[in-house]
Amino acid sequence: QLQLQESGPGPVKSSETLSLTCTVSGYSIRSGNYYWAWIRQAPGKGLEWIGSIYYSGTTFYNPSLKSRVTVSVDTSKNQFSLNLRSVTAADTAVYFCARSHAYYGLDVWGQGTAVTVSS
Amino acid sequence: QSVLTQPPSASATPGQKVTISCSGSGSNIGSNPVYWYKQLPGTAPQLLIHNSSQRPSGVPDRFSASKSGTSASLAISGLQSEDEADYYCAVWDDSLNGHWVFGGGTKLTVL
Repeated sequence: QLQLQESGPGPVKSSETLSLTCTVSGYSIRSGNYYWAWIRQAPGKGLEWIGSIYYSGTTFYNPSLKSRVTVSVDTSKNQFSLNLRSVTAADTAVYFCARSHAYYGLDVWGQGTAVTVSS
Repeated sequence: QSVLTQPPSASATPGQKVTISCSGSGSNIGSNPVYWYKQLPGTAPQLLIHNSSQRPSGVPDRFSASKSGTSASLAISGLQSEDEADYYCAVWDDSLNGHWVFGGGTKLTVL
C-alpha cells in the first residue's frame, strides 16, 4: 500500500532554509507515471501548491515561490525533498507531500508536518 | 486571493443536497480536469473527485461533480453529519509554465 511520510528537523528560524523530505513506500519513484508534489497550508488558510518533481528531475514550481524553492529527488532512497530559502513567519504552515497524476490528480497524500518559523 | 473562486461557506440539513461551485478561467478549468478534495480538521485532504466527474473507489455515489466552461461544481446529496468538512477544488493551470491552483475552500456545515 502506497504511503508518503514527511520528515524534517523541526522549527526553523526566520531567514534560514526550511528543509523537508518525503519518504515514499509501496511504490518506486523510479517507475515513473507520477509526479511528486509539495503542498502547504498556513494556519486557518487554504491549500497552496509549492512544486512538483518527476523521477527524472523535471520540476514545476509555484510562480510565487519559484525564486526560493528547490524540489529534488533521490531515487536510490525513494525520497523527494523540499528546500525553501529565506523563510519568514508567512511560511509557517503544515507541509504535505503528495503523489500527482495527470488523470487522478494529487491522489495520495502524506499526513503532513507542521513547520513553525520563529524569529 | 485564490485563482479559483469558491464560496467560503455552505450549509444544509441532513438528507438535503448541497452544491459547491468553483470558478476559474480558460487557462485552468477551461482547459484541464478539475479535482475535488475533502479535508477534515487536522488531517490531510482526501481525493473525492478526479478527472472532473469521476469518483475514486470508496467514495460514495452521493458525491458527484461536473464541469462546464470555466466553472465546476461538486454536489453532495443525502447529506450526512460526517460530510461536515472543508472542500477544495484544484486544477492544473497552463499559464506561467504550468502550475497547480486551488480554490480557497468551502466550509460545509451540516445543521
